[in-house]
Amino acid sequence: ILNVEQSPQSLHVQEGDSTNFTCSFPSSNFYALHWYRWETAKSPEALFVMTLNGDEKKKGRISATLNTKEGYSYLYIKGSQPEDSATYLCAPVSGANNLFFGTGTRLTVIP
Amino acid sequence: NAGVTQTPKFRVLKTGQSMTLLCAQDMNHEYMYWYRQDPGMGLRLIHYSVGEGTTAKGEVPDGYNVSRLKKQNFLLGLESAAPSQTSVYFCASTATSSYNEQFFGPGTRLTVL
Repeated sequence: ILNVEQSPQSLHVQEGDSTNFTCSFPSSNFYALHWYRWETAKSPEALFVMTLNGDEKKKGRISATLNTKEGYSYLYIKGSQPEDSATYLCAPVSGANNLFFGTGTRLTVIP
Repeated sequence: NAGVTQTPKFRVLKTGQSMTLLCAQDMNHEYMYWYRQDPGMGLRLIHYSVGEGTTAKGEVPDGYNVSRLKKQNFLLGLESAAPSQTSVYFCASTATSSYNEQFFGPGTRLTVL
């Protein structure tokens, strides 16, 4: 079992604002880190899978960075839009090759 | 392609009843997973399979059994349902390993009275 912490638990931002949130995980025995976006009444959808220290990935206005030495990853959303409203989950991969999901950051973008 | 599908979408059981949840994927994925989602908790892994005919326990396996007789199907069974098993169950699959993204089904909402 991995101790995964995501912060903040929830946040509200105005449309057009940029925002970021954090995923913290054990830095020892790191294998990979997943980010998922989960809209209400839908299923989680993968955003990124990150494996290397210093990795940066980008998909449209969403980007993520990874620091495996200190055990954290940031997810950034530039110019938030109402359709970005969702819960964002991170999940490091354990030694048993499974994912351990955090409880997520619930983002609400106010038009 | 349908992706990952789950049957049924909703179910209400009485304590002690049994049922089977079906997950099917048409992406030829090797790995399949069953998770449960409870309020205030992250997705927790119940059981998983790394290939046809193989299964393994996840974080919260007690009270559940699984079978993977065909590559495309992963069944989750509740032998004697308990109210603590009231949850939303998600199935997921991935191509070859946990370094690949997982694809999730739409979920099954189970209530045990």
